[in-house]
Amino acid sequence: DQQVKQNSPSLSVQEGRISILNCDYTNSMFDYFLWYKKYPAEGPTFLISISSIKDKNEDGRFTVFLNKSAKHLSLHIVPSQPGDSAVYFCAASVSNAGNMLTFGGGTRLMVKP
Amino acid sequence: GAGVSQSPRYKVAKRGQDVALRCDPISGHVSLFWYQQALGQGPEFLTYFQNEAQLDKSGLPSDRFFAERPEGSVSTLKIQRTQQEDSAVYLCASSLVVSYNEQFFGPGTRLTVL
Repeated sequence: DQQVKQNSPSLSVQEGRISILNCDYTNSMFDYFLWYKKYPAEGPTFLISISSIKDKNEDGRFTVFLNKSAKHLSLHIVPSQPGDSAVYFCAASVSNAGNMLTFGGGTRLMVKP
Repeated sequence: GAGVSQSPRYKVAKRGQDVALRCDPISGHVSLFWYQQALGQGPEFLTYFQNEAQLDKSGLPSDRFFAERPEGSVSTLKIQRTQQEDSAVYLCASSLVVSYNEQFFGPGTRLTVL
């Protein structure tokens, strides 16, 4: 039973437009959420995170939104750039319970020039 | 070091062989995690160390999988009598302190069992 789901396996966006990646979770114990970016043959690279006490966190072109009641988070990238093309994973953890990450299946983002 | 390193980067094993995968975490990082990533899927948790203590091994898929971190730094994931279903990328991650949520990942070891 997948506790973290990314329902869109792929997304194609034009350069300069907004990319929106979505993630849903089922475990109400999750209190910290992260987005990782992964290029081929590399490990995931941390991008941005959000604690459950917030509903928005922004870092440059990247913003993560958390809707706890809907158990839904999203990552917005604006403006999208070709270098953003990668696989994006959302992950969730329960603080002070080992902090192991539960990952979604990933969304492949392709930003076209 | 500058980041988490893993070796070997690629490993091909014949079914039934034992393999050992090494992880060098970022210096000073207390927590160390192992994940398994099958093709086209997200990473799945295997086991977790706080310093040399293995606090959670609930994700290890069978008793053929064994991990250790004897001195609280380098860790080794050992798989005995490898099977084809063990083929995956094995990722190691470390984080600075126990309460810190962000984990820093190594490049992974791609294991192929023939």
